[in-house]
Amino acid sequence: GAVVSQHPSRVICKSGTSVKIECRSLDFQATTMFWYRQFPKQSLMLMATSNEGSKATYEQGVEKDKFLINHASLTLSTLTVTSAHPEDSSFYICSAIPTDNYQPQHFGDGTRLSIL
Amino acid sequence: QKEVEQNSGPLSVPEGAIASLNCTYSDRGSQSFFWYRQYSGKSPELIMSIYSNGDKEDGRFTAQLNKASQYVSLLIRDSQPSDSATYLCAVHMNRDDKIIFGKGTRLHILP
Repeated sequence: GAVVSQHPSRVICKSGTSVKIECRSLDFQATTMFWYRQFPKQSLMLMATSNEGSKATYEQGVEKDKFLINHASLTLSTLTVTSAHPEDSSFYICSAIPTDNYQPQHFGDGTRLSIL
Repeated sequence: QKEVEQNSGPLSVPEGAIASLNCTYSDRGSQSFFWYRQYSGKSPELIMSIYSNGDKEDGRFTAQLNKASQYVSLLIRDSQPSDSATYLCAVHMNRDDKIIFGKGTRLHILP
């Protein structure tokens, strides 16, 4: 089945640090990737839709200058949390869909970000 | 009406019984429907996808879709303690070409 690799799985860093998270589709091409955030015991919250070769589409309330998304190829999207603060601590999950938009999303294993 | 609605639970089911999870959606034109399972601290994993009315079976899992009633369900037969998780319903909304997730139903299988 389709595999999505997300790296790193866990990050612990000091406040003010910028953190980059990578999301790769390993065995399929993904023109669209999604970035979610999930706080403990809460539901998935879509942050942004990442489109290969164009600007990401951010959901309402998500700061595009804080959460930088780059989707430079059909298999790689990155999310950079700039100048992270403790309130940015969360579980960040990416997903990707094959070029056929009606196929299910396949999720990466997630990145647990802890800002001290 | 919320776009994708699920009862948050927890739903408690005895081991060996059938667990029934329900989901309703608002966009009548939706064509693609998915069920995901998420264990605590892990990312969601796809269990089933269903695209046409009726039942679709895969092992112990059966997805049921009724587009007229805008209703999709997941049945888990012979429930096992390892089935205890949060189950997310996802619908590809036709009107804005987005996949919307429900908030999930927490399922607890009682040993």
